[in-house]
Amino acid sequence: QSVLTQPPSVSAAPGQKVTISCSGSSSNIGDNYVSWYQQLPGTAPKLLIYENNKQASGIPDRFSGSKSGTSATLGITGLQTGDEADYYCATWDNSLSAGVFGGGTKLAVL
Amino acid sequence: EVQLVESGGGLVKPGGSLRLSCAASGFTLSSYGMNWVRQAPGKGLEWVSCISNSGYHTFYADSVKGRFTISRDTATNSLYLQINTLRPGDAAVYYCARSTGSTGWYPYDHWGQGTLVTVSA
Repeated sequence: QSVLTQPPSVSAAPGQKVTISCSGSSSNIGDNYVSWYQQLPGTAPKLLIYENNKQASGIPDRFSGSKSGTSATLGITGLQTGDEADYYCATWDNSLSAGVFGGGTKLAVL
Repeated sequence: EVQLVESGGGLVKPGGSLRLSCAASGFTLSSYGMNWVRQAPGKGLEWVSCISNSGYHTFYADSVKGRFTISRDTATNSLYLQINTLRPGDAAVYYCARSTGSTGWYPYDHWGQGTLVTVSA
């Protein structure tokens, strides 16, 4: 059971938009920045979004992030088949004094 | 160019020990926090441990506290994870990842390719 809660899967058609939610608590998302990672099949994770809404180097602005209270959201517009991957949110948890990840969301571009 | 190359994974019996290494290049460990993140087969990412840029501060997930030890060698610019009393649940690909700042509080902007740890009798 992950500290941060994400939907197991989402899907949308090419060209459409999708959002992935990440729910936490006051000790993690509520008090710290959120980052998002993309993991393509068989590869290491890659940083997409940091400090809630900043795109990492080389990441297109089709990827966006937001945070409100104890929840965060990753948005992807103009979906491409190459976006099919697992997406993870992450932050620091002050109560645990540890990094925490969401359980991951598998994106299907149908 | 920043590179992280893990090594040291392998097949270990339950109760055994292993030391994972992560060779860093393109930056110095004394400037960044470093992390270990693992991923069990078919499962999600799990943060394991971090060490601050100074080396003075270390943190661990509850699931590994008391069994794993993170350390680094600035002379060789290498990060380590000593894993003791291995359990079947420790089987995973172990990634080292660099934080963008001085501690594991910061996001992870560079990752290695991972090293596989298998636990089986």
